[in-house]
Amino acid sequence: GEDVEQSLFLSVREGDSSVINCTYTDSSSTYLYWYKQEPGAGLQLLTYIFSNMDMKQDQRLTVLLNKKDKHLSLRIADTQTGDSAIYFCAESPSYNTDKLIFGTGTRLQVFP
Amino acid sequence: EAQVTQNPRYLITVTGKKLTVTCSQNMNHEYMSWYRQDPGLGLRQIYYSMNVEVTDKGDVPEGYKVSRKEKRNFPLILESPSPNQTSLYFCASSKRVRLAGGHYHTDTQYFGPGTRLTVL
Repeated sequence: GEDVEQSLFLSVREGDSSVINCTYTDSSSTYLYWYKQEPGAGLQLLTYIFSNMDMKQDQRLTVLLNKKDKHLSLRIADTQTGDSAIYFCAESPSYNTDKLIFGTGTRLQVFP
Repeated sequence: EAQVTQNPRYLITVTGKKLTVTCSQNMNHEYMSWYRQDPGLGLRQIYYSMNVEVTDKGDVPEGYKVSRKEKRNFPLILESPSPNQTSLYFCASSKRVRLAGGHYHTDTQYFGPGTRLTVL
């Protein structure tokens, strides 16, 4: 099937690290993405990783890709209340690189 | 300012009354797409378009129509809305990038603000 799976909720204390996990379906996916959706808004691209990379770091964000297990994770260092949002992972499958398959989204709640 | 706009943002209607949700982008993007977002299901693609006059079904096209007569606009049409189409709808657009090997890939997708539709 084409299910991209994520846990639905994550709650962390401000200043801690958050790790959001995702399992995708197509081992040949070319690009994998993390999008952020703030309340009442559309999705915005946070970061992406190309399939020939294992890790990508961008300021407070670290993306780890385990192709063998088809597992993608997003780590947010020093999580702030402004990071509270829904985070979606998405894959661009090899059979149709024009398509994006989104996960169910993880709602991150940051409390003081 | 580069953006994707959708109208209306909120709509309450009744079963069977035809409606159109408009989507417009000012970035000259080839690719446009419609998604619906439902709790626990994430985003599911309804229809997409790779260029003018080229449209194709996504994962949940039943009950929807689209058209792409101009590059900037990609309206979503519900000919006879039903309550199971109550949802949050997003339009998105992106460039298409040619990869080595000749395949195309949709670059970063830019999303509109969403249209919350309720069908009674």
